[in-house]
Formats: sequence, structure tokens, C-alpha cells
Amino acid sequence: AQSVSQHNHHVILSEAASLELGCNYSYGGTVNLFWYVQYPGQHLQLLLKYFSGDPLVKGIKGFEAEFIKSKFSFNLRKPSVQWSDTAEYFCAVGVYQKVTFGIGTKLQVIP
Amino acid sequence: GAVVSQHPSRVICKSGTSVKIECRSLDFQATTMFWYRQFPKQSLMLMATSNEGSKATYEQGVEKDKFLINHASLTLSTLTVTSAHPEDSSFYICSARGVFFAASSYEQYFGPGTRLTVT
Repeated sequence: AQSVSQHNHHVILSEAASLELGCNYSYGGTVNLFWYVQYPGQHLQLLLKYFSGDPLVKGIKGFEAEFIKSKFSFNLRKPSVQWSDTAEYFCAVGVYQKVTFGIGTKLQVIP
Repeated sequence: GAVVSQHPSRVICKSGTSVKIECRSLDFQATTMFWYRQFPKQSLMLMATSNEGSKATYEQGVEKDKFLINHASLTLSTLTVTSAHPEDSSFYICSARGVFFAASSYEQYFGPGTRLTVT
């Protein structure tokens, strides 16, 4: 069965700092990869996804993620965070119609 | 578009009673709905997958007789926690995939979740 690990459980950044959240998965076959975001008091929303093609995926609100197959990684990046990016971020991997989520990373952006 | 609602958002019940949680796709038809459970400081754990008109598929370790799932229409799935106990207290989240999604798409739209507290 596949598994997902997120390395940073709680990240605190100042506004305008760059962000990179790590995500690694374990599965040897073809996968579909996602990043979801949950803003305070709101439900999970899809940030971006990778199915195939260009391994550098651009999502909403200036986020991007890079799929590195050799490293089984799908790290999330944003060059300059804003206070409104304060949220919890979940990496997820889809295999055979089943999606497995990571434990989540809480990002706190300080104005 | 693609909005999923859950009702109730919070429920407190006494041990031994049953609780029903509804999950609705408001602006699309959902062929498949998923039920997740989230413990504090842990990830979402898939409990079961339900396809409209057929029996739900439960994940290993999830008691099907305790967590009854019904997906009677393309816009509604229900999760009933039967004979609830304090250890069932958790955050339950549903998600849905629509008929318009490609078969290869895993994209799901999530509901806001239901906080269940069993006293």
C-alpha cells in the first residue's frame, strides 16, 4: 500500500519569505499527486495536482510543485508567502482510485 | 462549482445512541463519495468508498456494521454511526467525485466536515 510522509509538521514564516514543504511517497508504480489546502474554518480545497506530463505543476495563488520521480517527491513551493497563506497543507497520492493523505503541515505566516 | 455540504457541522450525542451525517453534492452529480475520519494531529483516514446504488467498500479495520453508509442518490450519501461510543468522537469528512470527471481522475471535492462528540 502507498504511504505519504510530510516532513514539516509546523512551519512559521514571515511574509515575503519563500516556502518549500516536503512530501515523499512510497509506491513503485504510476501515481497521481495532489496538494490540498485547508484554510482556518474552511474545508479542504485542491491546490494543485499532477497526473502526467510536465513535472513542474503550477496551481492557484502562486503555488507550484515539482514531481521528482527518482526521489519519490512532490514538494510544494511558493517564492513569497502572504499572511493569507496561513493554513494547513496536505500532500496526497492517488493509486488505483484510492487517495492517501499525509499528516499535514501547518503553515503560519507572520505579518 | 463543485460544492459539497455536510450536515450537521457539529453533533453531540450520548453513548449508545446512533448519529446520522449527511453529505450532499450541491451542484453536481456524484457517482462516488468517500468518507474520511480525522483524528487530532493525524491525517485523513479513508473509511469507505461508496458508489451510487451499490454497497460501500470499507477499508481494512473499519467496522461496516458500526459505520453504515448509504449512497441512495447521485447527490446524497449518509454515514450512520451506530451505538456510538466516546472513542468514535472524531472529525468526519466526506468528499465526492462527479460524473463529469474522467475515469482516471482522482479529483475529489470535500465537504466541511462534521465534528462528532460522544459523551
